[in-house]
Amino acid sequence: NAGVTQTPKFQVLKTGQSMTLQCAQDMNHEYMSWYRQDPGMGLRLIHYSVGAGITDQGEVPNGYNVSRSTTEDFPLRLLSAAPSQTSVYFCASSYQRSGTSGSWADTQYFGPGTRLTVL
Amino acid sequence: RKEVEQDPGPFNVPEGATVAFNCTYSNSASQSFFWYRQDCRKEPKLLMSVYSSGNEDGRFTAQLNRASQYISLLIRDSKLSDSATYLCVVNGAGGGNKLTFGTGTQLKVEL
Repeated sequence: NAGVTQTPKFQVLKTGQSMTLQCAQDMNHEYMSWYRQDPGMGLRLIHYSVGAGITDQGEVPNGYNVSRSTTEDFPLRLLSAAPSQTSVYFCASSYQRSGTSGSWADTQYFGPGTRLTVL
Repeated sequence: RKEVEQDPGPFNVPEGATVAFNCTYSNSASQSFFWYRQDCRKEPKLLMSVYSSGNEDGRFTAQLNRASQYISLLIRDSKLSDSATYLCVVNGAGGGNKLTFGTGTQLKVEL
């Protein structure tokens, strides 16, 4: 059971380049999400998904695309990299809990992160 | 007002001390609450969920006060290995099924 895996661990891009950050989980979690972490800002949600074929925007979605074609994979695409996207990116997954007030994400399991530098 | 607010610290405490962290959240409809721990340059890991009745796990005690929209974490008998950043996490703080992280409180336990 590998948990949540992310590739690559490190990446340097030039402004304007595109790339895809990979994320996979083998825990059959419905909920997957992408965060970026910047000094003094905490983790900020970029995009999330509550199941295959369903994605939604988080707090800072601009400049990023996601898709969820399978339960296991949730890639994050940078369309045209900018220096402002220099950050540490974490992917996370969790089960969904359900109750009378709806459903919500349970404990998040994080991948080891991708450190991205955009020059 | 930020959706989830924490005192950034750092809290410098001697080994064996008791230390408490607080966190406030803005959305009274928030549904679930957690404390995560993050070591330097590592991914966050769950420390404990926070339940309405309060819960304890060894030296760690978490409390939730829904009326005041306030979460706390108490660490007793601090160890050097407790040095880390502690993140308060709220589901629904920003509305909907989204987790909002506080910026974290840094703890340094010293000899």
